[in-house]
Amino acid sequence: DAGVIQSPRHEVTEMGQEVTLRCKPISGHNSLFWYRQTMMRGLELLIYFNNNVPIDDSGMPEDRFSAKMPNASFSTLKIQPSEPRDSAVYFCASTGNSFLRMNTEAFFGQGTRLTVV
Amino acid sequence: KQEVTQIPAALSVPEGENLVLNCSFTDSAIYNLQWFRQDPGKGLTSLLLIQSSQREQTSGRLNASLDKSSGRSTLYIAASQPGDSATYLCAVRPGYQKVTFGIGTKLQVIP
Repeated sequence: DAGVIQSPRHEVTEMGQEVTLRCKPISGHNSLFWYRQTMMRGLELLIYFNNNVPIDDSGMPEDRFSAKMPNASFSTLKIQPSEPRDSAVYFCASTGNSFLRMNTEAFFGQGTRLTVV
Repeated sequence: KQEVTQIPAALSVPEGENLVLNCSFTDSAIYNLQWFRQDPGKGLTSLLLIQSSQREQTSGRLNASLDKSSGRSTLYIAASQPGDSATYLCAVRPGYQKVTFGIGTKLQVIP
C-alpha cells in the first residue's frame, strides 16, 4: 500500500479564495482524521470520520472550514474563504477500526503546506 | 479534556549518548499511546505503539514505557546517531478514536 496520500503537497493562495485539500486513506482503514499543525499550537485535531460519517467536528475552527468523506477512499477539507491565519500544514491520518480492535496504529500522510497571502 | 505534555521541548546531545524523552498525560483512561517521529517538512512516522495493557515496547534502539497510573510515558533511545535528529511526538488515545498529541521534543544529535 502507498500509505495515506494527500494532495497537493504545497498550496499558495490569496486571501478570500477557496482552498480544497484532498486525502486518500489506506485501503481498508475506515477511520480518517484531519489535523492542522502550527508552530504555536502543534497538532490539532480538526475532524474525524468513522465509516465515512463525521463523528466529531468540534475541532473545526470556524464555519469557513468544512470536510466531507463521500466514500471510503476519499476525503476533502475545504476552506472558504481562506485567511492568512489559516496558513499551516494540514495532515490527514487513517487507522483501521473495529469495535473489538480499537488499539490500532495511526498512519499519517505527508501533509499539505498551505500558505494564504 | 486530555492534555499531553512533552519535556524537554528541545534536546541536543553528542552522538553515542543514551537519552530519554518524556511524555505526560492528564487522563489515565487511555486505550493506547503512540510515539511518532517527524522530520522537517515531512509527515509523521509511527515508531512504537503501546497498548493500555502493556508496560513497554521495543524496536531496535528504541524502547517506550507506559505507566498509566501516573500518566507518563518515556521514549528511550540508545546509542543516539545523527540520523535520529527529528521531532518526536507522543500521542494518546483517551477515547474512541480521538487522539491527542503533545507539542513534541526536537532532538538534535551532534556528530
